[in-house]
Amino acid sequence: NAGVTQTPKFQVLKTGQSMTLQCAQDMNHEYMSWYRQDPGMGLRLIHYSVGAGITDQGEVPNGYNVSRSTTEDFPLRLLSAAPSQTSVYFCASSYVGGPDSPLHFGNGTRLTVT
Amino acid sequence: AQSVAQPEDQVNVAEGNPLTVKCTYSVSGNPYLFWYVQYPNRGLQFLLKYITGDNLVKGSYGFEAEFNKSQTSFHLKKPSALVSDSALYFCAVRDSGTASKLTFGTGTRLQVTL
Repeated sequence: NAGVTQTPKFQVLKTGQSMTLQCAQDMNHEYMSWYRQDPGMGLRLIHYSVGAGITDQGEVPNGYNVSRSTTEDFPLRLLSAAPSQTSVYFCASSYVGGPDSPLHFGNGTRLTVT
Repeated sequence: AQSVAQPEDQVNVAEGNPLTVKCTYSVSGNPYLFWYVQYPNRGLQFLLKYITGDNLVKGSYGFEAEFNKSQTSFHLKKPSALVSDSALYFCAVRDSGTASKLTFGTGTRLQVTL
């Protein structure tokens, strides 16, 4: 049982480049989300989805796009990377049946933008 | 808007002593509260949750948490700390009326020494 799988583990980008962070889950979870983790700021929600074809913004969505074409996959796209997007990115998923469902996290992607 | 505060950046405890990691929250409705643990270079792992019922909630690895509605707190506790408990701990809250968004605190680093 793989759980939540994120690729790549590490990535270095130059300012202005674009890339896609991949996230896949095999637990048939309806809810998927992207967080970024920065020192002293905890985890901040970027985008989330409650099912295929449905996405919504979190608290820090600027500079990121998402789509949800299948239940399993929820890629995060950086359109034009900036140094402020240097961070560790986590994908997380859960059942959407009730607000007591805990999130299951991937192991993260460490992104550096130079 | 919902929020979580973890007032201590770091908590230091000797092995064998009891530990407490503090968390206070703010939500407009009934709170669903969670504790997660993060080990180096890993994603967050679910420890325990409070939904309703008993104010003392038991979770994984001998951890428990005490819900106090009047003080809007949800402190994480363990009767006897282990060196292997050293990690980063996050408190999180979800409003009962918001099925998706989970708000995290900034995290508390627990350091357990011999």
